[in-house]
Amino acid sequence: DAGVTQSPTHLIKTRGQHVTLRCSPISGHKSVSWYQQVLGQGPQFIFQYYEKEERGRGNFPDRFSARQFPNYSSELNVNALLLGDSALYLCASSSGDGRVYEQYFGPGTRLTVT
Amino acid sequence: AQSVTQLGSHVSVSEGALVLLRCNYSSSVPPYLFWYVQYPNQGLQLLLKYTSAATLVKGINDFEAEFKKSETSFHLTKPSAHMSDAAEYFCAVSALSNDYKLSFGAGTTVTVRA
Repeated sequence: DAGVTQSPTHLIKTRGQHVTLRCSPISGHKSVSWYQQVLGQGPQFIFQYYEKEERGRGNFPDRFSARQFPNYSSELNVNALLLGDSALYLCASSSGDGRVYEQYFGPGTRLTVT
Repeated sequence: AQSVTQLGSHVSVSEGALVLLRCNYSSSVPPYLFWYVQYPNQGLQLLLKYTSAATLVKGINDFEAEFKKSETSFHLTKPSAHMSDAAEYFCAVSALSNDYKLSFGAGTTVTVRA
């Protein structure tokens, strides 16, 4: 079975632009979470979705938004990009009702903001 | 709220030597604890997890960790380091009280000397 997939793998954007990152969970998994990992730090929780509903939001500004589709894939959107948004964005999926503890991570999308 | 502290941002070991990575957690409710490994330019791979069953947890690649409630610790060990163990290691905690969102430590980079 395929693991969690993310696209694109890398992208470069300019300050003020908008970006959309995509994630496909493991087949059968209904929950998707997004994390931001700044270089040299541990991942920080951004969002969690289950069955298209937001289950949780981390301490990120409203420029960050996300959604989950009927096929359980997900998009993370970031508006008005800042230099500080440069990071590895990780998507993780989990099975069950989204309250299961084990999460499986994708390879990430490396975003560089110039 | 839950949090983890990883003691030591860098650990250097000789090939064949013991690997010991330290993690202390803070949680007001029974925690779930995890160790993840991240190789350069890759996502996170789960090494092992503690879910309130056995306190000594065995994971992949001969890694193991022991949950010690009295010390609020979950240290990771491997008896004999291989060159392939060079990577960054993250300790993480989650709990029912926060819908199992993962809170990560800052990470420990392991280098293995030949």
